[in-house]
Amino acid sequence: QVQLVESGGGVVQPARSLRLSCAASGFTFSSSGMHWVRQAPGKGLEWVAFISYDDSFKDYADSVKGRFTISRDSSTNTVYLQMNSLRAEDTGVYYCAKTKYSAAAIFDYWGQGTLVTVSS
Amino acid sequence: DIQMTQSPSSLSASVGDRVTITCRASQSISRFLNWYQQKPGKAPNLLIYAASTLQSGVPSRFSGSGSGTDFTLTISSLQPEDFATYYCQQSYRTPHTFGQGTKLEIK
Repeated sequence: QVQLVESGGGVVQPARSLRLSCAASGFTFSSSGMHWVRQAPGKGLEWVAFISYDDSFKDYADSVKGRFTISRDSSTNTVYLQMNSLRAEDTGVYYCAKTKYSAAAIFDYWGQGTLVTVSS
Repeated sequence: DIQMTQSPSSLSASVGDRVTITCRASQSISRFLNWYQQKPGKAPNLLIYAASTLQSGVPSRFSGSGSGTDFTLTISSLQPEDFATYYCQQSYRTPHTFGQGTKLEIK
């Protein structure tokens, strides 16, 4: 069965960095685009970033562009989110999600999420 | 960016009720509209994609309709496990925006 397991969250000071990981299994990782979606405490969902199945295309929300970098490693079936220059407003649960089709932004499986808290 | 607006923001209903949630896009998104259910402390779960296609494993009491700018999610007969927050999301154009959510509570 499809499994997505995020890790790497924690408490970090403003302006510092953090790298999230999402380990994927149970599907053909090399054929699936992957996304990161976040949720601030008590708030709604916000799409953060996308990486295509073949690593040829990446896209970001304006709120994280230039600070966050999405990447993938098909040898380990892992997708990453490198987060630099973190701000208080980046606090929340970060979910990785796979696309239902190779490029469509339809999130058919999600991980359990990892909590990032940006605070001094 | 395409703005997604859901109504109502919250809703109280009873087991067995028929419930409809509306989602409006700020511009036409054809049928690139998806619905998710989220329970407290859990990840969202895909219910409907492409406006009206039921995701595998989702009960048939859930249905979706609409195109262009106006969409609806209907639950034909509420079950206890359906009390949750529901989000619409457009997959027409990046950024892939979500509605603010509709919290469905037990009356």
